[in-house]
Amino acid sequence: GAGVSQSPRYKVTKRGQDVALRCDPISGHVSLYWYRQALGQGPEFLTYFNYEAQQDKSGLPNDRFSAERPEGSISTLTIQRTEQRDSAMYRCASSARTADTQYFGPGTRLTVL
Amino acid sequence: TQLLEQSPQFLSIQEGENLTVYCNSSSVFSSLQWYRQEPGEGPVLLVTVVTGGEVKKLKRLTFQFGDARKDSSLHITAAQPGDTGLYLCAGALERTSGSRLTFGEGTQLTVNP
Repeated sequence: GAGVSQSPRYKVTKRGQDVALRCDPISGHVSLYWYRQALGQGPEFLTYFNYEAQQDKSGLPNDRFSAERPEGSISTLTIQRTEQRDSAMYRCASSARTADTQYFGPGTRLTVL
Repeated sequence: TQLLEQSPQFLSIQEGENLTVYCNSSSVFSSLQWYRQEPGEGPVLLVTVVTGGEVKKLKRLTFQFGDARKDSSLHITAAQPGDTGLYLCAGALERTSGSRLTFGEGTQLTVNP
């Protein structure tokens, strides 16, 4: 079956604009995770959901970052008033159940000019 | 503060050599995972270890979880150019729900033919 998909794959935006990054998890997967990854480093946890409930958002850097998963499937990570320091690869992962193996998507490369 | 310290950060070796990558922490993990990531793609799970002292083998790769569940190592025997990639360790902290993964900074391995 299809893996985790993310869109757009690349996003270039100007400082101060809002961006919305989309994650489509593997069908039927209960848990969905958002990470941010700098080049050549490991992913950094942002937030995760079980079904539509946001279980942990302690990794979100500040209140400009928010995420939702309203129907327990597709999730959107929104960054408001983007800043240059927000530039990074944003990765989504899903797992069948909590604490199961996480399968990662290809990521969205965000560049804030 | 990096919860999981990986070493070395960079490793360049010749085909046929052996190597070991280390992942250390002062925290106890309920499980620890090793991932391999290729350029432009998301991390792919290689193995999960959950029991202190556990050793798992995957062809030429040997993974070990420390007795105290604070550290792990990955040993590759007779490395091949196809082993080139970013190797990441990631752990689920014992004190958390077990879903949030904390990643190390990664080891960039290059195997030269």
